[in-house]
Amino acid sequence: GESVGLHLPTLSVQEGDNSIINCAYSNSASDYFIWYKQESGKGPQFIIDIRSNMDKRQGQRVTVLLNKTVKHLSLQIAATQPGDSAVYFCAEIWFRGNYGQNFVFGPGTRLSVLP
Amino acid sequence: EAGVAQSPRYKIIEKRQSVAFWCNPISGHATLYWYQQILGQGPKLLIQFQNNGVVDDSQLPKDRFSAERLKGVDSTLKIQPAKLEDSAVYLCASSLWVPGPLVRTGENSPLHFGNGTRLTVT
Repeated sequence: GESVGLHLPTLSVQEGDNSIINCAYSNSASDYFIWYKQESGKGPQFIIDIRSNMDKRQGQRVTVLLNKTVKHLSLQIAATQPGDSAVYFCAEIWFRGNYGQNFVFGPGTRLSVLP
Repeated sequence: EAGVAQSPRYKIIEKRQSVAFWCNPISGHATLYWYQQILGQGPKLLIQFQNNGVVDDSQLPKDRFSAERLKGVDSTLKIQPAKLEDSAVYLCASSLWVPGPLVRTGENSPLHFGNGTRLTVT
């Protein structure tokens, strides 16, 4: 199940089950969104992105859903594996005129895969 | 392609001491970011460079933090003097510079992160 700890919300799932990680974002003008995976001792790694004019995008075993009405993003992982255990962050990105992009990260969710 | 390189991996200092972190971004990436990640939280932007110019340093505690990217490639982040609350992982990231019209038509350029420097201030 899902619980809120002292720091990170944690989602515990059985190996082989599907996982759904949720994220609320703040800027309705964000141009696109990215899900990152962060393993212990490493920097965040890109998983999948979605543009603001889309509502669903699928990758290998992952699907991202975007609901702009309620400013909500979700990451679905099919057939969760032990290697999926990590902290997952959503990021919202908007354009800064001539100065590239601004990336703002959510607080993260720890996914724990149980054998 | 080689990833974003950061050093050192770990650093332990006493409060009021100074410390510096180094970052070498992916070749050709014009935009470089320094993020602070406190345990249990998401990365928080400290400073963003485009080439050797500062784009955003609004969240950088300028009384003690400084950063530079003199030749538009490598960057250093310095803390002087350090406080206990500076204990965190300092992440460097880089991305291609993407003009606005390309962003809006799908040419997205995600951040590529280094593995960070874990700073402990005692």
